[in-house]
Amino acid sequence: GDSVTQMEGPVTLSEEAFLTINCTYTATGYPSLFWYVQYPGEGLQLLLKATKADDKGSNKGFEATYRKETTSFHLEKGSVQVSDSAVYFCALSEKTGANNLFFGTGTRLTVIP
Amino acid sequence: NAGVMQNPRHLVRRRGQEARLRCSPMKGHSHVYWYRQLPEEGLKFMVYLQKENIIDESGMPKERFSAEFPKEGPSILRIQQVVRGDSAAYFCASSPPLPGPNSGANVLTFGAGSRLTVL
Repeated sequence: GDSVTQMEGPVTLSEEAFLTINCTYTATGYPSLFWYVQYPGEGLQLLLKATKADDKGSNKGFEATYRKETTSFHLEKGSVQVSDSAVYFCALSEKTGANNLFFGTGTRLTVIP
Repeated sequence: NAGVMQNPRHLVRRRGQEARLRCSPMKGHSHVYWYRQLPEEGLKFMVYLQKENIIDESGMPKERFSAEFPKEGPSILRIQQVVRGDSAAYFCASSPPLPGPNSGANVLTFGAGSRLTVL
């Protein structure tokens, strides 16, 4: 079945450091891939997405490239800020509709000044 | 511009009691989804509802769990006779009824979650 394996946290970085959060997936077809972010006290928000191989999703300085050959969708940011401290969830969807979203366990990122 | 409102944010129950979690969708959204996050696991889909209709409950445990989304008022996830294994964060999300591939996933708005602790 479909599944998402996400880098375990927590991750602590200094401001302006480079961030990578690994995400790999298992799917029978060609899923769409997502990164969601949950800031403290808030709901999950869609951060970026990619719907086919080699697509790059980007938003707020974050990027992730859909790599079919390695079944990966790693999240990267060149220079993190304190305001990026949050929990990040990788997710996939093979079919139409949010009732088919599969999430990873989440990675907590803390950025220190 | 209220988003998805969930309450209570934290709920403590003793084994055997009932838990009721409420979710008010975003204005204009008619579809509601419930997800559960057990400790050390990812969010897992439970149930998908429209007003007065359950569309997909394939992720709901067969016993003790029920969900509704009445014509008026919030969606409610009800857990009867709670056990310690029900302790989790329960997330609600809503979306408008848009057509197209992955339209639901693209336009989901999540609430901040309700954390249930069973003593």
